[in-house]
Amino acid sequence: GQQLNQSPQSMFIQEGEDVSMNCTSSSIFNTWLWYKQEPGEGPVLLIALYKAGELTSNGRLTAQFGITRKDSFLNISASIPSDVGIYFCAGQSGGSGTYKYIFGTGTRLKVLA
Amino acid sequence: GAVVSQHPSWVICKSGTSVKIECRSLDFQATTMFWYRQFPKQSLMLMATSNEGSKATYEQGVEKDKFLINHASLTLSTLTVTSAHPEDSSFYICSAEGVYEQYFGPGTRLTVT
Repeated sequence: GQQLNQSPQSMFIQEGEDVSMNCTSSSIFNTWLWYKQEPGEGPVLLIALYKAGELTSNGRLTAQFGITRKDSFLNISASIPSDVGIYFCAGQSGGSGTYKYIFGTGTRLKVLA
Repeated sequence: GAVVSQHPSWVICKSGTSVKIECRSLDFQATTMFWYRQFPKQSLMLMATSNEGSKATYEQGVEKDKFLINHASLTLSTLTVTSAHPEDSSFYICSAEGVYEQYFGPGTRLTVT
């Protein structure tokens, strides 16, 4: 199935550092979403972006919907140990009643205290 | 917030048997639910879209006769893995379509021996 390209694949950072990851697609999406998944659990929504160029924050997290509608990035500022997990972007395509999500390949984040 | 549950959370079955996984939206009604499969250290791959009262729509490469989906009510969708094989061992995650986003269940770990 289709997947979005997400980079980096993994990151090891020191506590307190900022983190940046991005997601690119060959297709246009109407909505971009960022999720965090912890082992053995389903993904949890972090930020949703609905408009090209939109910049949205959720606490230490900031995400932007690219102008071309083919990319998005997520920044985490001042990382803490509980930020550890796998971060997935997802693009929403289709319309009401027919939409579906395509997930990125994921970025594994490890924070060293 | 919207809550989606899955049952069971994990299951071990013998090769050749069938396993049913339930996905319930607990505090909202969902006309559409989605089923994903996630292999270790990989992303979520959409298997099928489940619509209440109609046949599910399967993604390319997913065998509809092997992965039976039933969405008999607005709060329940089931995925039955028929004649399970070890290669079907995976993490199966459902999601339910809400007003603005999909809400994910906690996942079901299936191990086929």
